[in-house]
Amino acid sequence: GDSVTQMEGPVTLSEEAFLTINCTYTATGYPSLFWYVQYPGEGLQLLLKATKADDKGSNKGFEATYRKETTSFHLEKGSVQVSDSAVYFCALLNAGNNRKLIWGLGTSLAVNP
Amino acid sequence: NAGVMQNPRHLVRRRGQEARLRCSPMKGHSHVYWYRQLPEEGLKFMVYLQKENIIDESGMPKERFSAEFPKEGPSILRIQQVVRGDSAAYFCATGQATNTGELFFGEGSRLTVL
Repeated sequence: GDSVTQMEGPVTLSEEAFLTINCTYTATGYPSLFWYVQYPGEGLQLLLKATKADDKGSNKGFEATYRKETTSFHLEKGSVQVSDSAVYFCALLNAGNNRKLIWGLGTSLAVNP
Repeated sequence: NAGVMQNPRHLVRRRGQEARLRCSPMKGHSHVYWYRQLPEEGLKFMVYLQKENIIDESGMPKERFSAEFPKEGPSILRIQQVVRGDSAAYFCATGQATNTGELFFGEGSRLTVL
């Protein structure tokens, strides 16, 4: 079945460092791909998405490109801030699975001043 | 436009009691998902509902857990005869009928079983 694999955390960076959080997927067909973010004590919120191959999703300085050839959707940010400290979840949506999101386990990011 | 409202935010129950968690979707949203989250674990899908209809309950334990989304009123996740292992954060997420994968999450209900 469909699945999402994220790099394990926690990831700890200094402010202004470059961030990459890896996400790869297994799916039949052409899923849509998402990154959600969960700040401490809150629910998840959509960060960005891409619906077809080579699409780039971007928001708040974060970017991710839908790479069908490598089945990846890695999250990147050029210069992280302390306020980016959160848990990041990669997810996919496929036509099957009753159209429910398939989630990665989440990657915790801590950014130090 | 109010977001997804979950209540209670925190709930403490003793073993054997019942827990009822409520979720009011955003206006215009007809799909409700319930998830469970434990520390150091990811989101675990429990159930997917539309109004008066359970679409997918493959993540729900076979016993003690039930969910509903009536025609009027909030969606309710009900846990009977709670045990310590039920302690977790329970999140509700809602979406539109088009189901594009864009879900809006509530802030969660944190259940503690003593």
